[in-house]
Amino acid sequence: QSALTQPASVSGSLGQSITISCTGTSSDVGGYNFVSWYQQHPGKAPKLMIYTVSDRPSGVSTRFSGSKSGNTASLTISGLQAEDEADYYCGSYTSSDTLVFGGGTKLTVL
Amino acid sequence: EVQLVDSGGGLVQPGGSLRLSCAASGFIFGTYWMHWVRQVPGKGLVWVSRISSDGSSTTYADSVKGRFTISRDNAKNTLYLQMNSLRVEDTAVYYCVREQIKTMDVWGQGTTVTVFS
Repeated sequence: QSALTQPASVSGSLGQSITISCTGTSSDVGGYNFVSWYQQHPGKAPKLMIYTVSDRPSGVSTRFSGSKSGNTASLTISGLQAEDEADYYCGSYTSSDTLVFGGGTKLTVL
Repeated sequence: EVQLVDSGGGLVQPGGSLRLSCAASGFIFGTYWMHWVRQVPGKGLVWVSRISSDGSSTTYADSVKGRFTISRDNAKNTLYLQMNSLRVEDTAVYYCVREQIKTMDVWGQGTTVTVFS
């Protein structure tokens, strides 16, 4: 199972919005609505930010939103804050009944 | 509080073995599927293995199939990963993770495995 494709890095200024893409295939992202997004700060465990494409767990800011079109899912962060600077990973359920992650995107807040 | 505490990592030579443990608390452990995910420092997340809530079904990534065994003791609220025939490329931080709606919703703090020659 190949990893999902994410941009290596994105950046945005405080208060702006950014979008991170996650491209897979019809066997994972495109075939199921089980796409999730994780935030990871250096030295910390990943934290779930979005599940089933666009749902937010309790406690996650409404500035985080998710969507999907075809084989590509997206995470949008609006009103960028300094604490949003982190690595972000997408994940998807697959037709092989396993899970696969993206390679990760480093978000820099300018 | 829902919590997963990973332990058992360490230094081992190629060909050696280690058993990782994950102690769960704050939820009904025996009703959730569980996973192990690993991460080479500075690299991305890689799914390793999954076990059903009752332990009857297991799945592995091709890279560890035949060498790693996932298991659980629901009476002790503990998940395990027995790692045999370890290779240098198995060096990583290993996370125990709870699954809900095919999503990794709760993560342990991770335990570091270093395989050195």
